[in-house]
Amino acid sequence: GAGVSQSPRYKVAKRGQDVALRCDPISGHVSLFWYQQALGQGPEFLTYFQNEAQLDKSGLPSDRFFAERPEGSVSTLKIQRTQQEDSAVYLCASSLNRTPQRGEQFFGPGTRLTVL
Amino acid sequence: SQQGEEDPQALSIQEGENATMNCSYKTSINNLQWYRQNSGRGLVHLILIRSNEREKHSGRLRVTLDTSKKSSSLLITASRAADTASYFCATRGSTLGRLYFGRGTQLTVWP
Repeated sequence: GAGVSQSPRYKVAKRGQDVALRCDPISGHVSLFWYQQALGQGPEFLTYFQNEAQLDKSGLPSDRFFAERPEGSVSTLKIQRTQQEDSAVYLCASSLNRTPQRGEQFFGPGTRLTVL
Repeated sequence: SQQGEEDPQALSIQEGENATMNCSYKTSINNLQWYRQNSGRGLVHLILIRSNEREKHSGRLRVTLDTSKKSSSLLITASRAADTASYFCATRGSTLGRLYFGRGTQLTVWP
């Protein structure tokens, strides 16, 4: 069966450009997470959706970061006016359960963003 | 900030040897998970141990959890070159399921 997919896999942006990263979770998965992974580090939480509702956005590093999941399926992470420190791999994960404490998170391959 | 911290940061062994990685964390947890990340691939879930469990096995993997010391260990027995990857522990608290990852242990298994 299909896993979590993300696109693009690689993105190079000039500083100041806006970017949009897409996540297609596993069909039927209620919970969706975005994480940011800097080089040599572990993933850090950005935001969490339950269906279309964004229940936790406490990990977003600045107001340049915005995420949405309007129909409770596909999600988009948008970064406005990109900076060099935004360079990282952005990981999306989905989980079947409405109470994600009990469920395994399935991760996509990530989008590697490089800001020049 | 990351809650879990793995030790060692890097581990290099020969095929057939056992690999042990440790993880320490700071606050109370609901469960602790171990993930593997290969170059070019996403994170793959390996095993989950709940806070009321002390040991769990899955194939060549053995995980222990000591909540009094806030630590966990992952043992990979009879390692293979294909086990070469970064290994992360991740803790899950009570807040909406977000995972807290450590920095990872880079394991290299030489044929």
